[in-house]
Amino acid sequence: EAGVTQFPSHSVIEKGQTVTLRCDPISGHDNLYWYRRVMGKEIKFLLHFVKESKQDESGMPNNRFLAERTGGTYSTLKVQPAELEDSGVYFCASSQETFPYEQYFGPGTRLTVT
Amino acid sequence: LAKTTQPISMDSYEGQEVNITCSHNNIATNDYITWYQQFPSQGPRFIIQGYKTKVTNEVASLFIPADRKSSTLSLPRVSLSDTAVYYCLVGAALSGGYNKLIFGAGTRLAVHP
Repeated sequence: EAGVTQFPSHSVIEKGQTVTLRCDPISGHDNLYWYRRVMGKEIKFLLHFVKESKQDESGMPNNRFLAERTGGTYSTLKVQPAELEDSGVYFCASSQETFPYEQYFGPGTRLTVT
Repeated sequence: LAKTTQPISMDSYEGQEVNITCSHNNIATNDYITWYQQFPSQGPRFIIQGYKTKVTNEVASLFIPADRKSSTLSLPRVSLSDTAVYYCLVGAALSGGYNKLIFGAGTRLAVHP
């Protein structure tokens, strides 16, 4: 069974540019989460989807971040315009409804904003 | 959500048993205790979860005393490949059956030959 995949693995962009991160959850997992770790800090929750609906956006830092999950399958996280403090590793995770504590994480996308 | 406290780092040797203790004095009645493992350049990986007493799986054991104010993750006979960061998380599944994981700093375990 394929795990959670994320693309790209690494992205380097200049301040002010736009970047879109993609996450493909495990097939059949309705729950999809985005987390991130910025330099020297702890992993922080960003938001949660149930199928195509945003269930909890409480962790989204500001309106420069836009997450979508069209059709309830893969998800994208767009940062526009990117700022230096957005640099970090962005993780995606998915889970089944019946096992909410067992989230399967992808390898992450390392975003570097210069 | 209950705050957790765990050692910043630990060292061990191959073949030894490692016990990592996590304090969560403000744990709520509905909270579960979950441990994740993270290797460099990878996402966290679920290890074990429990509510009270003892839980064991093929990877680890989780000991939770009656007052549930702490928990201990036990890794039997560690190997070099167990070198990783271990996170203790406490929280309840929210309505709708999902769980927003709250990560702390974790414990960096180094296993030496």
